[in-house]
Amino acid sequence: DIVMTQSPDSLAVSLGERATINCQSSQSVLHTSNNKNYLAWYQQKPGQPPKLLFYWASTRVSGVPDRFSGSGSGTDFTLTISSLQAEDVAVYFCQQYHSSPPWTFGQGTKVEVK
Amino acid sequence: QVQLVQSGAEVKKPGASVKVSCKASGYRFSSYYIHWVRQAPGQGLEWMGVSSPSGGGTAYAQKFQGRVTMTGDTSTSTVYMELSSLTSEDTAVYYCARVGQWVSAGGFYDYWGQGTVVTVSS
Repeated sequence: DIVMTQSPDSLAVSLGERATINCQSSQSVLHTSNNKNYLAWYQQKPGQPPKLLFYWASTRVSGVPDRFSGSGSGTDFTLTISSLQAEDVAVYFCQQYHSSPPWTFGQGTKVEVK
Repeated sequence: QVQLVQSGAEVKKPGASVKVSCKASGYRFSSYYIHWVRQAPGQGLEWMGVSSPSGGGTAYAQKFQGRVTMTGDTSTSTVYMELSSLTSEDTAVYYCARVGQWVSAGGFYDYWGQGTVVTVSS
């Protein structure tokens, strides 16, 4: 199974400052046949289901503010919030969907306002 | 618009079974796989399994093998997840989630149900 490890587990950032979340997979999630990274990012607010932010590691879902960006390839990925807003307080998860099951999630990173 | 609407909260005793439904609407049901993911209180997301929307194959996480059954009913665009031999460790919110790629068993999840709270307590 591919193990997904996020860092840090939590971070507190001042409003308007940058927040950076890392996600590392135990094996590459890059498909060389199509040069796509099978990695997604989700945002979950209390009492709500997760919301898809990015797929293919860096393809932003329509409606997601452009202060959010996804990057990385192979085994190392990053979700960046360039200027944290109050509404960005949430838990963020990465997920790999490379090849066969199980499709696994990182443990989550809680983002709070400092 | 695409919607996944799940059945209501359940309270079960240890050893019992629970069956959660997820009714899809707003798209061609047979063209998109639906997975089940659970989240224990204060914990992360745990993938449970997937069943073909047309009633074909299934794939379950090894942890749940022998204890979970996922089925689908194309006539009502509904998928079901049944979990048996419940223990307190199964107390969680159970989500159904649609794969965002057409006719792909695996992938990212573009739509989620609202979640069903299952509480296991004696």
